[in-house]
Amino acid sequence: DVKVTQSSRYLVKRTGEKVFLECVQDMDHENMFWYRQDPGLGLRLIYFSYDVKMKEKGDIPEGYSVSREKKERFSLILESASTNQTSMYLCASSSDSAEQYFGPGTRLTVT
Amino acid sequence: QKEVEQNSGPLSVPEGAIASLNCTYSDRGSQSFFWYRQYSGKSPELIMSIYSNGDKEDGRFTAQLNKASQYVSLLIRDSQPSDSATYLCAVITPKTSYDKVIFGPGTSLSVIP
Repeated sequence: DVKVTQSSRYLVKRTGEKVFLECVQDMDHENMFWYRQDPGLGLRLIYFSYDVKMKEKGDIPEGYSVSREKKERFSLILESASTNQTSMYLCASSSDSAEQYFGPGTRLTVT
Repeated sequence: QKEVEQNSGPLSVPEGAIASLNCTYSDRGSQSFFWYRQYSGKSPELIMSIYSNGDKEDGRFTAQLNKASQYVSLLIRDSQPSDSATYLCAVITPKTSYDKVIFGPGTSLSVIP
């Protein structure tokens, strides 16, 4: 079975802190994704990566950056957390043109 | 026009009935189509994929694709209370360097016992 893991299920951070969310997949997938999900707004793509060291902006990249130094790991970085970044963050991975497998999610609260 | 649209619902059906969920997409180059189910507080999980026109059946689930009409649907037969969830439609469109994946906003389904 494909396994996508995320470093934390729940996280509480203060405004202005630098926040790292880690995602690891074990299926040698080329593609990895970071989404945030908010009530009434659905899944919104923040960034994705289709190869090591490659990244593409999604629909809402402002305030975020990413890093993919190894194929299995994709990190989302909030450079200076703000309260409007309180959300559920979901990581996913896939091979080309195939279904995505999601991690369990990280519920981030910024106070 | 949004790239992938779904009826937001909520859609309510009685137990044992057929639930019909619809999705339309705007890019005629789209080639792969997926239905995900998401329970409250959980992450999405894949339930169906479809790549060519017609119907694809898997147990109580049937996915239907009509590329000419840019329409994909999911039918759930003999609906059960455990089917109550949000259903997300996802569409993949090949681009030059990568495949673009777009999720619809989801349709909330409630199956009433």
